[in-house]
Amino acid sequence: DQQVKQNSPSLSVQEGRISILNCDYTNSMFDYFLWYKKYPAEGPTFLISISSIKDKNEDGRFTVFLNKSAKHLSLHIVPSQPGDSAVYFCAASLTGTASKLTFGTGTRLQVTL
Amino acid sequence: DGGITQSPKYLFRKEGQNVTLSCEQNLNHDAMYWYRQDPGQGLRLIYYSQIVNDFQKGDIAEGYSVSREKKESFPLTVTSAQKNPTAFYLCASSINRAPYGYTFGSGTRLTVV
Repeated sequence: DQQVKQNSPSLSVQEGRISILNCDYTNSMFDYFLWYKKYPAEGPTFLISISSIKDKNEDGRFTVFLNKSAKHLSLHIVPSQPGDSAVYFCAASLTGTASKLTFGTGTRLQVTL
Repeated sequence: DGGITQSPKYLFRKEGQNVTLSCEQNLNHDAMYWYRQDPGQGLRLIYYSQIVNDFQKGDIAEGYSVSREKKESFPLTVTSAQKNPTAFYLCASSINRAPYGYTFGSGTRLTVV
């Protein structure tokens, strides 16, 4: 049962344009969401997070939007740069239970010149 | 400089042999995790430990074993019972309170021949 889903396995965007990565979840009890970025043969690195009490969080070129009624979050990267080419994972956690995160399957972003 | 170290980066083993992957952290994190990454399947949780001398099975624990004798260390043994052991293995650690962000190691690529 995949509780966190990233339905687009890949995305290609031109340099300078906006990249929008999407993530859907099924468990309405999730209360914290994170995005991680992963390069090949490396561990994921934390990018940005959002609490369920907010609907937007911004950090430089990265903005995460949360739509709780739709159980949907998205990561916007503006402007996209070639160094952003990586696999992006969304993850969700549930306060009060174990601290473990549930990850999506990832979206591979390719930023072209 | 605090971090999480996985060794070795690449590991080759013959079928039927047990192999142990090392994971050490000096972040003073209480919780540690093992994930497996396969193409198109994202990150799947193998085992996790929230405190020393205690650990729980994740979603795909069959064929794996762990120990948590020290706060800093969480080794993973891939046994001969694991049917498809060839994968990229990631170790992570976190504090045990929200927000539950992980710090990941750089991973171990295990190839069984």
